Amino acid sequence: DAGVIQSPRHEVTEMGQEVTLRCKPISGHNSLFWYRQTMMRGLELLIYFNNNVPIDDSGMPEDRFSAKMPNASFSTLKIQPSEPRDSAVYFCASSFAGAPADTQYFGPGTRLTVL
Amino acid sequence: QKEVEQNSGPLSVPEGAIASLNCTYSDRGSQSFFWYRQYSGKSPELIMSIYSNGDKEDGRFTAQLNKASQYVSLLIRDSQPSDSATYLCAVRLSYNTDKLIFGTGTRLQVFP
Repeated sequence: DAGVIQSPRHEVTEMGQEVTLRCKPISGHNSLFWYRQTMMRGLELLIYFNNNVPIDDSGMPEDRFSAKMPNASFSTLKIQPSEPRDSAVYFCASSFAGAPADTQYFGPGTRLTVL
Repeated sequence: QKEVEQNSGPLSVPEGAIASLNCTYSDRGSQSFFWYRQYSGKSPELIMSIYSNGDKEDGRFTAQLNKASQYVSLLIRDSQPSDSATYLCAVRLSYNTDKLIFGTGTRLQVFP
């Protein structure tokens, strides 16, 4: 079975540009999570969805960040405009909420570098 | 106080020894606890989950939970160089059953 799929794997962009990260969760999973990982702050939850509905976006750093989940098999995280401090690895994870062992499965991540 | 705290390490142990990784959490009502392993440049992967006080064993790994003291630990027996990675402790908060809070991780180095 395919795991969580993320694209692109690497993104290098210039400050001020729009960045869109994409995620396809594991088929059948109904929860999707976007994380950001940096050396300084570790792994931080940005936003998560249940059944395509955003539940908690308290981790979204500011209005430059937005996330959507138009259907059960696709989500995007957009940064507009991007800034150098957004440089990090962005992970998407999915799970089946409510299962006895609702493990979060992580995608390979997108390494974002903003110059 | 951080919600989930871990010693950043590195924790260095010789091959064949027992590695002990510790984690404390602040939410007394938390019910679910997880250990993830992350190799350098890779994504986190779940290695253990524990929900009840006591020990849970899976191969060379043992998770220990003490809710009264609000700590959870991971023991790795017969440590191997391939165990060298960062180990992330994660806690599901009692007031939000979907959200995991991760510690910053402990880097483990197993030397031959």
